[in-house]
Parts: sequence; C-alpha cells; structure tokens
Amino acid sequence: RKEVEQDPGPFNVPEGATVAFNCTYSNSASQSFFWYRQDCRKEPKLLMSVYSSGNEDGRFTAQLNRASQYISLLIRDSKLSDSATYLCVVIGALTFGSGTRLQVQP
Amino acid sequence: NAGVTQTPKFQVLKTGQSMTLQCAQDMNHEYMSWYRQDPGMGLRLIHYSVGAGITDQGEVPNGYNVSRSTTEDFPLRLLSAAPSQTSVYFCASSYSPGESEQYFGPGTRLTVT
Repeated sequence: RKEVEQDPGPFNVPEGATVAFNCTYSNSASQSFFWYRQDCRKEPKLLMSVYSSGNEDGRFTAQLNRASQYISLLIRDSKLSDSATYLCVVIGALTFGSGTRLQVQP
Repeated sequence: NAGVTQTPKFQVLKTGQSMTLQCAQDMNHEYMSWYRQDPGMGLRLIHYSVGAGITDQGEVPNGYNVSRSTTEDFPLRLLSAAPSQTSVYFCASSYSPGESEQYFGPGTRLTVT
C-alpha cells in the first residue's frame, strides 16, 4: 500500500459547485499534514495546513480524521481559478500524494 | 528575497553525460530537499539535508549525488544520465522538515535522450 493515496481525478465541476477531495495515509504515527496546490508546469505552493481540529480559510476547509487515517479538502463555491492539482503531504516521511486534478468549468 | 532559485530551467542531456542542477535559497533555511516529479505522479524525495555538511537519502537516491557546503546552496549532481531520469526536478527549503511550509523553486525540466 502506498504511504499516501489520492484519487487522481480529474474532478470536473461547474463554477459555484462544492467539491471535496480525500487523501488517505498509512502511517498512523504521522503528525503533520498539509495541502499544496500546483498549477500546470509550476511549482507546488502551500494551500493550507491541516490541524486536528480542522481549519477553514475562506472557501477552503481542511479536516483530519485520525481514526480512519485520512485528510480532506473541501472547496465551496468553486471558481475557474481553482483549477489546479491539489497535493496532500504527510510529514513523517515527507511523502506527497500524487495529486488530485480539479477542473472548474464555466 | 529571491526565495528558492534553480538553474537551469531546461536541460537536454545525452545518455551518459553528467551535470549539476543548482539550487539556492536566501531565507536561511536549514532544511533543503530535492524532488523529482514524473507525469501523473507526485513528488518523490531524492535527497535532503538538515543543515550544512549533512545530507541523507530519500526515496529515490540512485543515480544522484548531493552536497551541502553552505546553508544557501544544495546542488544535485547526475552522475551518468539515463532516460529514466527524464523528469521535472524541484528543490525545496524550509525552517524544519516536519512542521513548516516548504518553499519550492520553479523547477528544472530535464530530458535525457
């Protein structure tokens, strides 16, 4: 089993939709989790950290479920500019998921 | 601050050639790392360093060497290029490996023919 697994997508959603991605991890001792955003042919950039209590930043909400060993990213009111690949990162072995591609359509 | 810089942006090598990918950061970060990203795949860790003079292997170190003589620079050397090393290479830095944001360079697109 891979250390970190993500549904590669693509997720094709209309503008204004709510979309959620999950990322499962295998190491129960993992302590830190992040979501990164990567635009086509660009470097990844931090989107948000994932805290045990969950955290929200505008239209974006990240949550951690330790019992089931997954983190999630919820995007509300999708914009065209949200189209990108979203990578989850699990610290422990500094492992990146392979990314979930989101395409928001007009 | 320039952040993390990488050179070159693009490179084409013939099989068997060697070259060095340069990476520098001006944020006084102790932790630096090299990743490769292949189509449809995530970032795989090649080598990392927790400070000047200290380096260690990541998930896919074979065929690559690194050194860290200064805090700022972390070059990646391809010893004898192979087509399997065709990839996009990202350098990253952060204050620490586990708790803080990693800052990535713009990447080097390498093709080995």
